[in-house]
Amino acid sequence: QQQVKQSPQSLIVQKGGISIINCAYENTAFDYFPWYQQFPGKGPALLIAIRPDVSEKKEGRFTISFNKSAKQFSLHIMDSQPGDSATYFCAASRNEKLTFGTGTRLTIIP
Amino acid sequence: DAGITQSPRYKITETGRQVTLMCHQTWSHSYMFWYRQDLGHGLRLIYYSAAADITDKGEVPDGYVVSRSKTENFPLTLESATRSQTSVYFCASSGYRNTGELFFGEGSRLTVL
Repeated sequence: QQQVKQSPQSLIVQKGGISIINCAYENTAFDYFPWYQQFPGKGPALLIAIRPDVSEKKEGRFTISFNKSAKQFSLHIMDSQPGDSATYFCAASRNEKLTFGTGTRLTIIP
Repeated sequence: DAGITQSPRYKITETGRQVTLMCHQTWSHSYMFWYRQDLGHGLRLIYYSAAADITDKGEVPDGYVVSRSKTENFPLTLESATRSQTSVYFCASSGYRNTGELFFGEGSRLTVL
């Protein structure tokens, strides 16, 4: 079963707009929620992460919003740029193991 | 250069053959992982290792074997490759406890004919 559900599968946003990707999890034992960014032909790389005792974390144009009671978290990319075009994965961690969502292919158009 | 390297980057094999994917990291990280990436499934954990000589199954271990005799190496073997094992395989490592920060290699694309 998919323990971390991610949506949408693909997303097209205009340059300068806000990109929003959503994830939901089932296992309340997860204790760390990272987002990874992957460019074609490369491995995923950590973008930003949050712990469940924090409701929001911001790093530059990237923000994670976390709703513990709803078991949901989301990634917001402000002022989206063509260089942000990539596949984004949410994940949830327990005991050093990451469970990933299915990924969102983000395309930023001029 | 320091980092995590995978080899081969591309491999084509036939059903029933044995294939070994290599992974080497230079950070002396304790934790190492093998994931496979498939469209519609994201990344799924095959096996992981907390230290040399300690390995454990992940979500999709069937058909795969791992070993970790040295901290820096974590090879993944497909003992008898099947078409369903056509995928992109990623090795990752982590030196930090209780975090979700994994460092990934660039992947090995395997095609089983």
